[in-house]
Amino acid sequence: DADVTQTPRNRITKTGKRIMLECSQTKGHDRMYWYRQDPGLGLQLIYYSFDVKDINKGEISDGYSVSRQAQAKFSLSLESAIPNQTALYFCATSETSSGSYNEQFFGPGTRLTVL
Amino acid sequence: AQSVTQLGSHVSVSEGALVLLRCNYSSSVPPYLFWYVQYPNQGLQLLLKYTSAATLVKGINGFEAEFKKSETSFHLTKPSAHMSDAAEYFCAVSPASGYSTLTFGKGTMLLVSP
Repeated sequence: DADVTQTPRNRITKTGKRIMLECSQTKGHDRMYWYRQDPGLGLQLIYYSFDVKDINKGEISDGYSVSRQAQAKFSLSLESAIPNQTALYFCATSETSSGSYNEQFFGPGTRLTVL
Repeated sequence: AQSVTQLGSHVSVSEGALVLLRCNYSSSVPPYLFWYVQYPNQGLQLLLKYTSAATLVKGINGFEAEFKKSETSFHLTKPSAHMSDAAEYFCAVSPASGYSTLTFGKGTMLLVSP
């Protein structure tokens, strides 16, 4: 079974619709992240959470919001989707320990298309 | 603040040839450095990481990377490319502190021809 799961894996929606992408993990990690991947731009950090009560904006948070419902769940919402939010979205996790070296573990991704 | 530059958005090699993917970083404090690989339609998988224990780091699938502080580089190499190595490779940097995030390069697509 996958340690980091994302649902849905693919989603097509229309401009103006509200969309939620969900991430769950069974790794027991306390930190979770949302990234967006666009061709030629690498991965850009949208939001991150170091524990359930901690939420931080990343480099491209405008137009997105997040919710950390539990240690294992971290959701990303697009309140009113627009076409330039068409991208591949990844969730990642890491743990707070001196031996983790900030290594992150990634989910399989959600491909979102906004028409 | 930290940043990563990956030279070459695409690198083409023949099967059996040396693979060299370049990564230069900038960091105001000692860094942790990572190489991740992304196969088509998959998430990112860790290839190897530098955590200051040894400058030459060996990873999975025959890849290795050398940390060179004087050159602020962490280039990824493999002596002999295989068709299955065709993928996108990402270099990432993080400050060597507890409350830090990763900063990724833009990625290099490795193409392997027969």
